[in-house]
Amino acid sequence: DAGITQSPRYKITETGRQVTLMCHQTWSHSYMFWYRQDLGHGLRLIYYSAAADITDKGEVPDGYVVSRSKTENFPLTLESATRSQTSVYFCASQRDDYGYTFGSGTRLTVV
Amino acid sequence: QKEVEQNSGPLSVPEGAIASLNCTYSDRGSQSFFWYRQYSGKSPELIMSIYSNGDKEDGRFTAQLNKASQYVSLLIRDSQPSDSATYLCAPFITNAGKSTFGDGTTLTVKP
Repeated sequence: DAGITQSPRYKITETGRQVTLMCHQTWSHSYMFWYRQDLGHGLRLIYYSAAADITDKGEVPDGYVVSRSKTENFPLTLESATRSQTSVYFCASQRDDYGYTFGSGTRLTVV
Repeated sequence: QKEVEQNSGPLSVPEGAIASLNCTYSDRGSQSFFWYRQYSGKSPELIMSIYSNGDKEDGRFTAQLNKASQYVSLLIRDSQPSDSATYLCAPFITNAGKSTFGDGTTLTVKP
């Protein structure tokens, strides 16, 4: 099916563990993004990518790592999870100057 | 000052009324403007895009853009209970390759 998929949908992890959130899109859109959404802060950009092997920091990149070896995949890794990283994470892709298409989100809880 | 400011909510209107959602932005490099709708517990979805000054109509939705005033709005005519959601304004800065999101305005349409 065409679209953008995130996995897992829900994740509970312990403080200090490494966690990877997956994002896959089937359109070959150049741009991909990772946002986190918290009450009181709206959507905040973590990292984004203009193409394979090109990534850049957003507003809140600390504690996160991304890679993009293939156009269709844009995984987000929390190197050592902290409670402050408990959030809903959204991946999005964009074609040219059109708006974003978001994935369904990953709800991450760090205990 | 935030880069994107939306009218503080929540906004409540009766069914059949016009809902008016407003947004101001600070970055004059913004070239494209998008409105997203987000239902509770779901991911944002693109509902309107506008690229030039003036009005753009799509069904019951009208987006209005005034670049000189750095202002964009969304009007929802004949509001329905199914329009109850949070609406996010997101100017897209072309040379930066990314959007900045407002915190959103929560709309409730009462039957």
